[in-house]
Amino acid sequence: DAGVIQSPRHEVTEMGQEVTLRCKPISGHDYLFWYRQTMMRGLELLIYFNNNVPIDDSGMPEDRFSAKMPNASFSTLKIQPSEPRDSAVYFCASSPQGHGELFFGEGSRLTVL
Amino acid sequence: AQSVTQLGSHVSVSEGALVLLRCNYSSSVPPYLFWYVQYPNQGLQLLLKYTSAATLVKGINGFEAEFKKSETSFHLTKPSAHMSDAAEYFCAVSRGTGFQKLVFGTGTRLLVSP
Repeated sequence: DAGVIQSPRHEVTEMGQEVTLRCKPISGHDYLFWYRQTMMRGLELLIYFNNNVPIDDSGMPEDRFSAKMPNASFSTLKIQPSEPRDSAVYFCASSPQGHGELFFGEGSRLTVL
Repeated sequence: AQSVTQLGSHVSVSEGALVLLRCNYSSSVPPYLFWYVQYPNQGLQLLLKYTSAATLVKGINGFEAEFKKSETSFHLTKPSAHMSDAAEYFCAVSRGTGFQKLVFGTGTRLLVSP
């Protein structure tokens, strides 16, 4: 049974470039979450969706960040333009019913030079 | 706002020794509490959860945690550490109308020596 699939696993880009991170949640899970992990700030919830609808995006740091979920099996997190301070590991997680039981992908490590 | 505090960014134990990782929560209402584990270069994995049923919760890999309301604590324990337990452990609390939002602590790295 496939888990949450994220791509790319590693991304190195230059400041000012657009970055798109992708996520395929576990089939049948109604909730999808995007988290960011850094040494300085730990794990931060950026945004989450329920049945493809964004519910809470209060964690999105600024307008350069956007997330979409066009269907139940795909979500993207886009950063445009990227900055060095965006360097982090970005995790996607899905959940069958919310309630804190999250299934995480392996993460996308982003380095912005 | 609900949050959790993990005491100690690093904990070192010998193989076979007791593991104790500390977590305290702040919540104005009974929370849902969780422990997750993260192995190097991997995502987080749920160890166990407390959802206001039994106060002693058993999880995977021999871990357990006890909810103590009087101490606002949810410490994670394991009687005997294995080398394979070396990882980072996160305590978390969920909040929001349907308890969907998970807020993580800063994590505790467990080091296990032979």
